[in-house]
Amino acid sequence: NAGVTQTPKFRVLKTGQSMTLLCAQDMNHEYMYWYRQDPGMGLRLIHYSVGEGTTAKGEVPDGYNVSRLKKQNFLLGLESAAPSQTSVYFCASRKWTSSGSPLHFGNGTRLTVT
Amino acid sequence: ELKVEQNPLFLSMQEGKNYTIYCNYSTTSDRLYWYRQDPGKSLESLFVLLSNGAVKQEGRLMASLDTKARLSTLHITAAVHDLSATYFCAVDMSPGSGGSNYKLTFGKGTLLTVNP
Repeated sequence: NAGVTQTPKFRVLKTGQSMTLLCAQDMNHEYMYWYRQDPGMGLRLIHYSVGEGTTAKGEVPDGYNVSRLKKQNFLLGLESAAPSQTSVYFCASRKWTSSGSPLHFGNGTRLTVT
Repeated sequence: ELKVEQNPLFLSMQEGKNYTIYCNYSTTSDRLYWYRQDPGKSLESLFVLLSNGAVKQEGRLMASLDTKARLSTLHITAAVHDLSATYFCAVDMSPGSGGSNYKLTFGKGTLLTVNP
């Protein structure tokens, strides 16, 4: 099993450029999440999805958009990149269960905006 | 708004010593997770704590949850160098945990360095 796969692994953008980060999971998980990780800030939730066709905002959604057209994929878009979006982005998924379940993380995408 | 506070944020220990990392959170939840992250790597799930009084152990690490105090601890026994990493706690706000959404909120992490 591949688990959670993120592409690309690294990317450098210039201010104002756009890009899409792709997250794919093969575990049939209902819930998917995008976090960003910055030094000293821990992980902060950008957007999340509880099922195909549904998305919701997290703590830091400004400047990002997401889509979940298929259950296994969760896309994160930056329409006009800014240096403040330089970060490591992690996608995660988990299954639905009434008793709780941990997140399974991808390997991250390191994005630099110059 | 849920706040999750870990302390200490930085911990330098000698091999063989014991120490505890604390995770306090500000609202009702009875589900908490601990993760480990090695430098430049992704996060790996360590423990899943799903009720008040839950205790889980794996090797030299033991995690516990006190939902009334809104506190979880990660205890390290007889530390070894291989435990050097950043440790995160995350609080689950899913329905059924006392919350109303499906978010997990993370603490800022504790960078643990174990010295010979």
